[in-house]
Amino acid sequence: GQQLNQSPQSMFIQEGEDVSMNCTSSSIFNTWLWYKQDPGEGPVLLIALYKAGELTSNGRLTAQFGITRKDSFLNISASIPSDVGIYFCAGRRTYKYIFGTGTRLKVLA
Amino acid sequence: ETGVTQSPTHLIKTRGQQVTLRCSSQSGHNTVSWYQQALGQGPQFIFQYYREEENGRGNFPPRFSGLQFPNYSSELNVNALELDDSALYLCASSSGRDRGQETQYFGPGTRLLVL
Repeated sequence: GQQLNQSPQSMFIQEGEDVSMNCTSSSIFNTWLWYKQDPGEGPVLLIALYKAGELTSNGRLTAQFGITRKDSFLNISASIPSDVGIYFCAGRRTYKYIFGTGTRLKVLA
Repeated sequence: ETGVTQSPTHLIKTRGQQVTLRCSSQSGHNTVSWYQQALGQGPQFIFQYYREEENGRGNFPPRFSGLQFPNYSSELNVNALELDDSALYLCASSSGRDRGQETQYFGPGTRLLVL
């Protein structure tokens, strides 16, 4: 099935470092969302973006909806050990949400 | 805690069998979507139900079917199970169909293993 391209696939970072990940698509979307998924759990919504160019923050997380509507990025500032997990982007077009391949984040204390 | 619940949490079936998974949506939500998440992959859209009718479908065969009930809870049925059907099945609820700023909230999933 179709999946969006996320990069990097995985990353190890030191506690306190900033993290950046992005998501790209060949198609445009009306909405971009970022989710975090812990092992054995469902994805949890972090940030939702509704307009091209929109920049939204949620605590230490900041995400942007690309102006072409084909990409989005997520930044995490001052990472902490509980940020470990898999981060998924998702693009929405009408009823359908298409997810990215995921970025696996590991934080070293 | 999203308020979306799924049952059972885990299930083991054999090839050729049929399975029914259940989902209760978050209070106030009338739309339910189902996803299949294979190990190491992102969720793949199966279908969506809005007010008891199928509202859209992904690239899954007809042996994947669903229902939504008047209380907006939902079932996913899979017939003639295949080994590749082994996955985490996620249910997500939202407040309306294609209405601008709605977002989906996921349940914890049902882990299905087909032997």
